[in-house]
Amino acid sequence: GENVEQHPSTLSVQEGDSAVIKCTYSDSASNYFPWYKQELGKRPQLIIDIRSNVGEKKDQRIAVTLNKTAKHFSLHITETQPEDSAVYFCAETGNTPLVFGKGTRLSVIA
Amino acid sequence: DVKVTQSSRYLVKRTGEKVFLECVQDMDHENMFWYRQDPGLGLRLIYFSYDVKMKEKGDIPEGYSVSREKKERFSLILESASTNQTSMYLCASSFGSYRASEKLFFGSGTQLSVL
Repeated sequence: GENVEQHPSTLSVQEGDSAVIKCTYSDSASNYFPWYKQELGKRPQLIIDIRSNVGEKKDQRIAVTLNKTAKHFSLHITETQPEDSAVYFCAETGNTPLVFGKGTRLSVIA
Repeated sequence: DVKVTQSSRYLVKRTGEKVFLECVQDMDHENMFWYRQDPGLGLRLIYFSYDVKMKEKGDIPEGYSVSREKKERFSLILESASTNQTSMYLCASSFGSYRASEKLFFGSGTQLSVL
């Protein structure tokens, strides 16, 4: 990977609403796209990932979509809950160590 | 469950001191990484290692060196600490062959303050 842009940097949603975070990348060789969640004072943890041979992956309330042509991928969280409040990082790689986005601080307002 | 342990949670050092940050993982992972986390800048890769005694520079290696004498241990060294190295340092490890794209397991981090 070379560079990954992540937007927005902050996001506030009402509990129960959906949240979407988007990332764009530049390296056409990238083939692995994980998302990490970091709660306040804790270590980042992988919540979902997608490889370039699929366009979408779901895990309960979380989904990731990938558009390789446009070089962007997104994290979708439905029915948000207060415990979803955290900083989320996207990342990408081809055959080099992960390159991370700058993070999105998600606040879910009860 | 994989455990990545960083020796110190908080560390305060003086400018010019030599600083050692230690990281140990207990799952026989081949790959180990040192990241630095600063507000608004995300996670930036300092150094990484895919095998014992092997090391490669990441995106911001200046002012740092590393050591991997044993598979389970990866040390980050600040040869002469400076105030701009005040940051949260995160160690991570992953399973897999050379350059494999696999899940990273992070340590809990070391918040280093250089005065």
